[in-house]
Amino acid sequence: DVKVTQSSRYLVKRTGEKVFLECVQDMDHENMFWYRQDPGLGLRLIYFSYDVKMKEKGDIPEGYSVSREKKERFSLILESASTNQTSMYLCASRGTGVGTVGTFFGQGTRLTVV
Amino acid sequence: LAKTTQPISMDSYEGQEVNITCSHNNIATNDYITWYQQFPSQGPRFIIQGYKTKVTNEVASLFIPADRKSSTLSLPRVSLSDTAVYYCLVGATNTGGFKTIFGAGTRLFVKA
Repeated sequence: DVKVTQSSRYLVKRTGEKVFLECVQDMDHENMFWYRQDPGLGLRLIYFSYDVKMKEKGDIPEGYSVSREKKERFSLILESASTNQTSMYLCASRGTGVGTVGTFFGQGTRLTVV
Repeated sequence: LAKTTQPISMDSYEGQEVNITCSHNNIATNDYITWYQQFPSQGPRFIIQGYKTKVTNEVASLFIPADRKSSTLSLPRVSLSDTAVYYCLVGATNTGGFKTIFGAGTRLFVKA
């Protein structure tokens, strides 16, 4: 089974802190994604990466950056955490190729910014 | 990217078959249809994927008519543990920059 592992299940950070959320996948997938999920807003795409050192903005990239130095690892960075970034953050990965089946998600990191 | 429309919520009883329909009128030739299940405080979990006609696995069936403008996820004999949000997604699988975009999903509540 594909495994997508996020480094923390719960985090509490202070306003203004720099926050790193780490994600590792073990299936050699090319594509990795970061979403945030908020009640009533569903899952929204923050950034995605289709190769090492490659990244593209999703729908809500403001206030975030990402890093993909190795194929298996995709990091989300909150440069200066704010209370409106309190959310559930989900990392995902998927392969590339005709008939690639599904996007696989981690368990999520519930981040609270106080 | 093809936009999807699903019912916001559905109720069912244990042991019943549940069918959730998703509309995707502007689906493209290369697009596949994928369904996910999400429990509270967990990431979405892949259920089933198809391109046309019918696909069945150990969890569900997916029915896709010839025009592919809609699809129906069928869950046989649901149990209380099937209470979750179900998402329908449409997109191509063979593109590296593929963005997986989720809609609002359908909240299924299974009652005893």
